[in-house]
Amino acid sequence: EAGVAQSPRYKIIEKRQSVAFWCNPISGHATLYWYQQILGQGPKLLIQFQNNGVVDDSQLPKDRFSAERLKGVDSTLKIQPAKLEDSAVYLCASSINTGSYNEQFFGPGTRLTVL
Amino acid sequence: AQTVTQSQPEMSVQEAETVTLSCTYDTSESDYYLFWYKQPPSRQMILVIRQEAYKQQNATENRFSVNFQKAAKSFSLKISDSQLGDAAMYFCAYSIPYGGSQGNLIFGKGTKLSVKP
Repeated sequence: EAGVAQSPRYKIIEKRQSVAFWCNPISGHATLYWYQQILGQGPKLLIQFQNNGVVDDSQLPKDRFSAERLKGVDSTLKIQPAKLEDSAVYLCASSINTGSYNEQFFGPGTRLTVL
Repeated sequence: AQTVTQSQPEMSVQEAETVTLSCTYDTSESDYYLFWYKQPPSRQMILVIRQEAYKQQNATENRFSVNFQKAAKSFSLKISDSQLGDAAMYFCAYSIPYGGSQGNLIFGKGTKLSVKP
């Protein structure tokens, strides 16, 4: 079974530029999560999708971050404009459904460096 | 608000020995799930072990076991017969059981485990 795919693996941009990350969850997984992991910290949830609807985006900085999940499958996370403090690893995860008992499967992440 | 605390930023263990990683959490809920995730340098988070709060029996997965103390809100991970491949960051996580954020994970800051040959 293929895992969660993410691209790119690395991205370096100047502040105030825009950037987009892509995630392809495990086939059949209805729930998709984006996490931000700043160096030395645990991942923090940015947004949760159930199929193509947003379940929780309370921690997403909506003035600069946006996310969508097209047709309930792939998802993109965009930052515009980027700030220095956005430097982090962005992790995508998926689970078969919502519910705290469902295991989340993580992708390899995208490391973003903002200069 | 729920919080997860890992008080050991770094730990070291000799190969074949046993090590215990600590985790405490805060919640007002009675039914929830707790997890330990492993993150090697490749960054891919891997589930190590899961514990349901309503189960008194501690979870075990091969060389990995937990000591779940619900009243103390403590959830430690014991790794027996440590192997070089166990070297990684280990994250304790709490899963929100109900409501709109159901299933969302709250992570601790992690413990970096080194294994000495």
